[in-house]
Amino acid sequence: DTGVSQDPRHKITKRGQNVTFRCDPISEHNRLYWYRQTLGQGPEFLTYFQNEAQLEKSRLLSDRFSAERPKGSFSTLEIQRTEQGDSAMYLCASSLGTTSALAYEQYFGPGTRLTVT
Amino acid sequence: AQRVTQPEKLLSVFKGAPVELKCNYSYSGSPELFWYVQYSRQRLQLLLRHISRESIKGFTADLNKGETSFHLKKPFAQEEDSAMYYCALTHAGGTSYGKLTFGQGTILTVHP
Repeated sequence: DTGVSQDPRHKITKRGQNVTFRCDPISEHNRLYWYRQTLGQGPEFLTYFQNEAQLEKSRLLSDRFSAERPKGSFSTLEIQRTEQGDSAMYLCASSLGTTSALAYEQYFGPGTRLTVT
Repeated sequence: AQRVTQPEKLLSVFKGAPVELKCNYSYSGSPELFWYVQYSRQRLQLLLRHISRESIKGFTADLNKGETSFHLKKPFAQEEDSAMYYCALTHAGGTSYGKLTFGQGTILTVHP
């Protein structure tokens, strides 16, 4: 296991198209997080899962965004009808969640850079 | 609402000089504070957390609840410390623990 992986690493799409990103967490981690990072800003929380349950969603996550983690392993983040404002780096992180202290150490993936033209 | 502020976007020091990266936060509950670092062409990684009171790579950070600050310090900067540094917080306990709020980041450059 080489850590959290994300696919694709880069995605260029035209406005109005749908895109889907995948995140594979570290295998024993039951918590998975999605963040979005725009230029010059720190990552912003989008949503997180404990196993397959989506426990919290940010108000940043509009109706066009949906995330799943169907079997409690990998996760997908879909953006429908993309807009230019969706251009950003989308980061995935995972952590153990069995105790609060362990849940704090999040391991980040390399990110998927989305460009909407 | 919780907020993390890093007032310096850029910080330059010379090798061997002390360095302090500032972080202030606002949070009504009991926060846990962290510093994350991103070296060039690498992914974001945890540097240290206040609850462990560790010193990692010579860096330390003290949580000052009175001033709501969590500044990162190192007495003698090294060139390999050049990176982007993010301060972050999460709620201590409850269902939202682990969800991180990040500051805008500070780019540290250590000159030879």
